[in-house]
Amino acid sequence: SQQGEEDPQALSIQEGENATMNCSYKTSINNLQWYRQNSGRGLVHLILIRSNEREKHSGRLRVTLDTSKKSSSLLITASRAADTASYFCATDPVSGSRLTFGEGTQLTVNP
Amino acid sequence: DARVTQTPRHKVTEMGQEVTMRCQPILGHNTVFWYRQTMMQGLELLAYFRNRAPLDDSGMPKDRFSAEMPDATLATLKIQPSEPRDSAVYFCASGLRMGVNSPLHFGNGTRLTVT
Repeated sequence: SQQGEEDPQALSIQEGENATMNCSYKTSINNLQWYRQNSGRGLVHLILIRSNEREKHSGRLRVTLDTSKKSSSLLITASRAADTASYFCATDPVSGSRLTFGEGTQLTVNP
Repeated sequence: DARVTQTPRHKVTEMGQEVTMRCQPILGHNTVFWYRQTMMQGLELLAYFRNRAPLDDSGMPKDRFSAEMPDATLATLKIQPSEPRDSAVYFCASGLRMGVNSPLHFGNGTRLTVT
């Protein structure tokens, strides 16, 4: 099964609203990464948060990590129509194997 | 900006034909991944190379799929013979692994349609 599982599967909001996506995982991790995928394109790395970090910001993105609950959230503030995309979390397991991606959240931002 | 280049972008072929997809990873990256993406299965890892050596190809149907890195600038994924169920978008990604997994850089994929 997938290491990371995103929630919700789909999210539709109005421009200007905030969007929150969640990711849960099962095993201990070195870091957790969030990626965005626009339609017809490859995934693009957004932000990496290490296991000893609790919160990280990058522009309008805010990521939190709770290792005790094995969960992370991605918050996009003041969303724009251009933020419409699928968002994936990926976990880097302590076991040393490769990154594992979740199934993604499809975000639609309506103008 | 350095980027991962995949060719071709689109491929339509008939069942039974051989398909070769190519990937040029970012210069200096020592890990290369092949993923397949479909609506039903999401993103599946097919093969993983580090320093050109295959480390994990457990996600790949061995009887028809093969992945190689002839040199550091080229990774290939071959399907022979192709089947309609192989229709998907195939992504190559590269990265640096120095103890932990650094972010991956993805190409824009090869959209494969097998009729």
